[in-house]
Parts: sequence; C-alpha cells; structure tokens
Amino acid sequence: DTAVSQTPKYLVTQMGNDKSIKCEQNLGHDTMYWYKQDSKKFLKIMFSYNNKELIINETVPNRFSPKSPDKAHLNLHINSLELGDSAVYFCASSREGRWETQYFGPGTRLLVL
Amino acid sequence: GEDVEQSLFLSVREGDSSVINCTYTDSSSTYLYWYKQEPGAGLQLLTYIFSNMDMKQDQRLTVLLNKKDKHLSLRIADTQTGDSAIYFCAEGQTDSWGKLQFGAGTQVVVTP
Repeated sequence: DTAVSQTPKYLVTQMGNDKSIKCEQNLGHDTMYWYKQDSKKFLKIMFSYNNKELIINETVPNRFSPKSPDKAHLNLHINSLELGDSAVYFCASSREGRWETQYFGPGTRLLVL
Repeated sequence: GEDVEQSLFLSVREGDSSVINCTYTDSSSTYLYWYKQEPGAGLQLLTYIFSNMDMKQDQRLTVLLNKKDKHLSLRIADTQTGDSAIYFCAEGQTDSWGKLQFGAGTQVVVTP
C-alpha cells in the first residue's frame, strides 16, 4: 500500500492555465506538507497543514493555494501558471509537525510551456 | 538551502565506504536527517539523529554529529551500485513545526 500518494505524476501545461495536484496519505498522520524541488534539486517547503489548519506558509506567490478537505488530503491549486513554476512538487506527511519524521510522496513533475 | 551545505558530488568504488558531509548553521536545530532520492523517485528517509547524540549506527549507515562544528556526516559501508542516488541532509527545529531546511543534495555515483 502506498503511504503518501500524489496525482498526477506528470503534468505538462501551458502558461496561464490553472492546475491542481492532489495528495493523499493513509498513515493516519496529522500533518501534511508541500515542497518544491527546482531544477538544481534544491528542496524548499511551501506549506504545512496540521489537522486541516495552515501552520507554515512560506513566501509563496498567492497563485498557490493549498486546500485540506480532511487530514488525509492536502491538495495544491496553482492559478495562472508561469514558466518558473516548472519543478517537481513533493507532498509529505508526519505524525505531528514538530519533530516527527516526514514521509514523502513520489512527486509530481510539472512542466509549464 | 543557504543554511545547510553539502558537497555536490561524490564518486566511490563498489565495496568502498562513502562519506557524505553536511554543515548547518542553526544551533537550535534539534533533529538532523538524511534522505535518499533515487532518479525519478521521492525522498526516502534513511536515518536521523537527535542533536544531543554524537553517533548513530544503523546497519551499513553511520551518522556522526559534531555539534560544536555543526558538522554532520553519513558513512555508508560496503557501498553498492544501488546506493547511487542523491543524498540530502536536512535540519529540523522543534519550534518551527516540522519545517525542514534541506541541503542542495550530494550526488553519489558508485562505480563497479
């Protein structure tokens, strides 16, 4: 059974479009995260939710809007996609936020043309 | 990340030991992690160490922490071709609600 899953795995789209990436975890964890990995493999946290409540909101353009319908799901919606949004987006989850190990999904490779 | 630094590349022969180094700057770091990323895959947690520990061993993996120098290393004994991957060092602080600061990753290439 996949612990942290993301859909889609690949996403190719045009500039200006709106797209969503979905994440689900079946680990019973309370905290979920979104990370962005750029072309140089640098990973940076974007958002964190604990029990559907936003905890971490790094300096991310407001075109990015996370949504957590329940604590097992954290989706990422991106409006007006730009070329610079091309990256791999990873979802992760942990039992709590403060020091618990984070488990990562397989990533969504987004290419904006 | 600007607070966590790693060398970018390491080449090692199969059967030898690999040592991947990492330095961090935040003295309030409580947990330090090593993640492995294989091509096209997500991050897999390898091991972690509390900041009040000096060493942790887990099968072929040995983590050493020098808190005074803020230096972390991961040693992989008897390196295999399946160990070829990018290895990320990350620091986490207990007061930052799970915010991990990652290094840029070390590409490890294992040659026969």
